[in-house]
Amino acid sequence: GAGVSQSPSNKVTEKGKDVELRCDPISGHTALYWYRQSLGQGLEFLIYFQGNSAPDKSGLPSDRFSAERTGGSVSTLTIQRTQQEDSAVYLCASSLEQGVEQYFGPGTRLTVT
Amino acid sequence: GNSVTQMEGPVTLSEEAFLTINCTYTATGYPSLFWYVQYPGEGLQLLLKATKADDKGSNKGFEATYRKETTSFHLEKGSVQVSDSAVYFCALTPYSSASKIIFGSGTRLSIRP
Repeated sequence: GAGVSQSPSNKVTEKGKDVELRCDPISGHTALYWYRQSLGQGLEFLIYFQGNSAPDKSGLPSDRFSAERTGGSVSTLTIQRTQQEDSAVYLCASSLEQGVEQYFGPGTRLTVT
Repeated sequence: GNSVTQMEGPVTLSEEAFLTINCTYTATGYPSLFWYVQYPGEGLQLLLKATKADDKGSNKGFEATYRKETTSFHLEKGSVQVSDSAVYFCALTPYSSASKIIFGSGTRLSIRP
């Protein structure tokens, strides 16, 4: 079946602009996660959604970052007033429930110039 | 806090050599432990997992044993192939918060024919 999909695959933006990154999880997966993979910081957890519960935002690096999940499916990660240090690959993952295997999408490579 | 420390790379081996990538962790409670692999140009995928002490995870000839007494989860393979060239990440989900994965820094493995 279809895996986790993310769009766009690549995004180049100017410093100070806002960007939106999209994630389509595997159908039926109730949990959705965002991670960031960068050269300096490795793989970092950003935010987690589970069903109708309040999201775990403990990994968001600043208030310029936000995410929403509409209808328990598609999620959008928004970065406002982008900075060069936001350049990274943003990975989305989904799973059936907490603690079991997470399936990762191919990522969105964000470059802030 | 919870953290994962893994062997720094890059690691370069000849085909059919024995592989060990060391991984140790710090966690409260009883975390689940994972090895993820990222092949060139591909997304992150789960290689193997272990959810309790003394469990052995295995897949594609790779093995790792959950050692609570040494807080370790070393990855081993008896005879590596060129196709094993990839970046390997040791990871855990904390018992107290099974919602997010905490990753090690990754080890780049290159296999020479």
